[in-house]
Amino acid sequence: QVQLQESGPGLVKPSQTLSLTCTVSGGSISSGGYYWSWIRQHPGKGLEWIGYIYYSGSTYYNPSLKSRVTISVDTSKNQFSLKLSSVTAADTAVYYCATMIPRSHLDYWGQGTLVTVSS
Amino acid sequence: EIVLTQSPGTLSLSPGERATLSCRASQSVSSSYLAWYQQKPGQAPRLLIYGASSRATGIPDRFSGSGSGTDFTLTISRLEPEDFAVYYCQQYGSSPTFGQGTKVEIK
Repeated sequence: QVQLQESGPGLVKPSQTLSLTCTVSGGSISSGGYYWSWIRQHPGKGLEWIGYIYYSGSTYYNPSLKSRVTISVDTSKNQFSLKLSSVTAADTAVYYCATMIPRSHLDYWGQGTLVTVSS
Repeated sequence: EIVLTQSPGTLSLSPGERATLSCRASQSVSSSYLAWYQQKPGQAPRLLIYGASSRATGIPDRFSGSGSGTDFTLTISRLEPEDFAVYYCQQYGSSPTFGQGTKVEIK
């Protein structure tokens, strides 16, 4: 069974870049079969898809965030990463990494990590 | 972008009652691309249903999904205490989106 664990700073200053990493265990990113995804949830709100990456490096980004988002993969470390630039308080959220069956559903999720944007 | 609208926003029911949750899409969604999740406070969402009607591994058979086109339904036949939570639908059309959620609370 695939397990996912998010890591990264819990506090980021406005205008800086939010950087998170998702470490995958119980499966190999390079084996294919999944899109490796990032989703966020603002406090007390619903879920928002940020984007996903395939092991080959092809990506999809939410159009509303596309200009600020970069998702990358490091197959040697079995990790994938999220960078969100020029953050504001509106980017304060719990960030989840998850596996997505291509063009379908999300089956495995990390526990989530709260990132607060504040000076 | 396909917008998913869930109703009602909150459903107040008692254990043992039947829960019917609706998810309506702004455009037709292939049934293969409609999923439902359950989320409890402080936890990540958990996959319940995919392909509109297929239960995920380990999901009790009191949970069922149905629908096609623009109208989809999640039914919980008899609510157990652990079923009180927030439920989200999700689609993968041209780009993936979630509904805003339905909270099932204890009456």
